[in-house]
Amino acid sequence: GNSVTQMEGPVTLSEEAFLTINCTYTATGYPSLFWYVQYPGEGLQLLLKATKADDKGSNKGFEATYRKETTSFHLEKGSVQVSDSAVYFCALYNTNAGKSTFGDGTTLTVKP
Amino acid sequence: NAGVTQTPKFRVLKTGQSMTLLCAQDMNHEYMYWYRQDPGMGLRLIHYSVGEGTTAKGEVPDGYNVSRLKKQNFLLGLESAAPSQTSVYFCASSYQGRRDGELFFGEGSRLTVL
Repeated sequence: GNSVTQMEGPVTLSEEAFLTINCTYTATGYPSLFWYVQYPGEGLQLLLKATKADDKGSNKGFEATYRKETTSFHLEKGSVQVSDSAVYFCALYNTNAGKSTFGDGTTLTVKP
Repeated sequence: NAGVTQTPKFRVLKTGQSMTLLCAQDMNHEYMYWYRQDPGMGLRLIHYSVGEGTTAKGEVPDGYNVSRLKKQNFLLGLESAAPSQTSVYFCASSYQGRRDGELFFGEGSRLTVL
C-alpha cells in the first residue's frame, strides 16, 4: 500500500536558520507528491507540489525535489521567518487509488 | 470566492447524540473527502466520494456515514457520538481532470464529545 513517513517534530529554529524536513514515501506506480501547510487555527493549504521524477516544486522560498531513486521529497528553505511557524504535511496522491496519503505532520516553530 | 465551506465550525455533543457536518464546495470538483485530524496522527481519511451519488470507505469509517446527493455537497453523519470521535474534521475536494490530486481544504470543524 501507500505510505508517507516524515521527520518527527517538533522542530524549533531561530529566524534566518536553514530548514530541512525529511519526507520519504512508499507507493505503487508514479504518485504526485505534495507539501501542505497548516497555520494555527486554519485548514491545510497547498505549499508546493511535484508530479514526476526530478521535478522541483517551489513556493514562498520553500523547495522540494521529487527523487524517485531515494523515494524522497524533502522540504527545504534557506532562511526561515517567524511567519513560517506552522504544521507541515507531506502527502502523495496515487491516481489509481483516487485518494491522498498523508504523513503525520511536523510542527515548526521559528523564534525571533 | 468561497472554495470549501464547512458548517458548523464548533460543536459539543453528549455521548449518544447524533449530528451532521456539512461540506459545500463551489469549484465544481468531482472528488470530495472527509478527514479527521488528531494530535500526532496526521490526517486520516474517513470516507470519500468520486462523484454525485457515490461514496467509499477510507481508513477509519466506523461510526460515520456519508451522503453525496448533490455534486457540491458532502455530508458526514455521526449517528451515535462517542468520546473517541472528539477531533477536528476537515473536508477537502479535488478536480478529477487535473489528475495530480491537489486538494482544497475547508477550515475545519472542531467536535467535542462529552
